[in-house]
Amino acid sequence: EIVMTQSPATLSVSPGERATLSCWASQSVTNDLAWYQQKPGQPPRLLISGASTRAAGVPARFSGSGSGTEFTLTISSLQSEDFAIYYCQEYSNWRGPFTFGPGTKVDIK
Amino acid sequence: EVQLVQSGTAVKKPGESLKISCEVSRYDFATYWIAWVRQMPGKGPEWMGTIYPPDSDTRYSPSFQGQVTMSVDKTISTAYLQWTSLRASDTATYYCARHPSSGWHIDYWGQGTRVIVSS
Repeated sequence: EIVMTQSPATLSVSPGERATLSCWASQSVTNDLAWYQQKPGQPPRLLISGASTRAAGVPARFSGSGSGTEFTLTISSLQSEDFAIYYCQEYSNWRGPFTFGPGTKVDIK
Repeated sequence: EVQLVQSGTAVKKPGESLKISCEVSRYDFATYWIAWVRQMPGKGPEWMGTIYPPDSDTRYSPSFQGQVTMSVDKTISTAYLQWTSLRASDTATYYCARHPSSGWHIDYWGQGTRVIVSS
């Protein structure tokens, strides 16, 4: 089973600032990596798939990069609605399991 | 828009059985795999497994194999997750979700079913 790691656990950012979130896989997942945003009391929301493809309706301030074992989610200019927890998930092996990372909480500085 | 609507909160005692549901609409139920995802309080999501409605082909995460059963009723576009004997450690929110045709990530989620197991 692939193990996903995220850093930092918590990121304190001021509105308008840039946020950079990292995700690592214990072995190569090529570009089969998704990012999700979750707010309290809500299900996760897909932001990015294929490491860098934004889902429909996701603002352009969200961008994903990386391949293999190292990935990054960048939020170029944080808006108030972006304060949430962000999870990465690998989905490289059709048999599964499709493992999520432990999450990065982005909160207001 | 695609909808996955789950059954409501369930409060059960240890040892009891439970079956929760996920009714989908506004897309062809027979076309996409349906996943179940557990989220324990204050923790990240965990992929439990996935089922293909046309033939009920099912893949379980090793962590959940033998602990739960996934099923579908194609006639009413509904997926199910069931337990025969609940434990306190099953207390969590359970989401059904859809895998898109482009990969094994998740593009749509249900609203979640909270399961509370307490004596």
